[in-house]
Amino acid sequence: GDSVTQMEGPVTLSEEAFLTINCTYTATGYPSLFWYVQYPGEGLQLLLKATKADDKGSNKGFEATYRKETTSFHLEKGSVQVSDSAVYFCALRDDKIIFGKGTRLHILP
Amino acid sequence: NAGVTQTPKFQVLKTGQSMTLQCAQDMNHNSMYWYRQDPGMGLRLIYYSASEGTTDKGEVPNGYNVSRLNKREFSLRLESAAPSQTSVYFCASKPGTGNNEQFFGPGTRLTVL
Repeated sequence: GDSVTQMEGPVTLSEEAFLTINCTYTATGYPSLFWYVQYPGEGLQLLLKATKADDKGSNKGFEATYRKETTSFHLEKGSVQVSDSAVYFCALRDDKIIFGKGTRLHILP
Repeated sequence: NAGVTQTPKFQVLKTGQSMTLQCAQDMNHNSMYWYRQDPGMGLRLIYYSASEGTTDKGEVPNGYNVSRLNKREFSLRLESAAPSQTSVYFCASKPGTGNNEQFFGPGTRLTVL
């Protein structure tokens, strides 16, 4: 069945460091791909998405490119801030979204 | 426009007690979902409702029941709570079929003693 695998956390970085959180997927067809973010004590909110191969989703300085050949959707940001500390979830599909297990990100000032 | 609201925010139950988690959305969305979030497990789908009047099981439905009362409201009931149901529960909604964004509520933190 469809599945999402993302790198385990926690990931700890210093402010202004470069961030990559890896995500790979297994699915039939060409699903839409998403990154959701969960700030402490809150529900999930959509960070970015890509609906077809080679699409790049971007928001708040984060980017991810839909790579069909490697079945990946890695999340990147060039310079992280303390306020980016959160849990990040990679997800795929539409009606029944399948989530990865989440990656907790800590940014140190 | 409140989005997705959930009540209560926190709840402590004793084993065997029952309770209903309430969820409502004011965005006129067709689809609604209940997830549970456990450490190291991500989000797992309990039940969903693709439209008013329909409900379907998700990945982990055992021990739960749902009611899609109307288009706005989708409740989750625990008939006889167990410690394994200690979790954070999230409700979400989506406009309909297709690759649309899901909107999440703030969550209900449930502890079963």
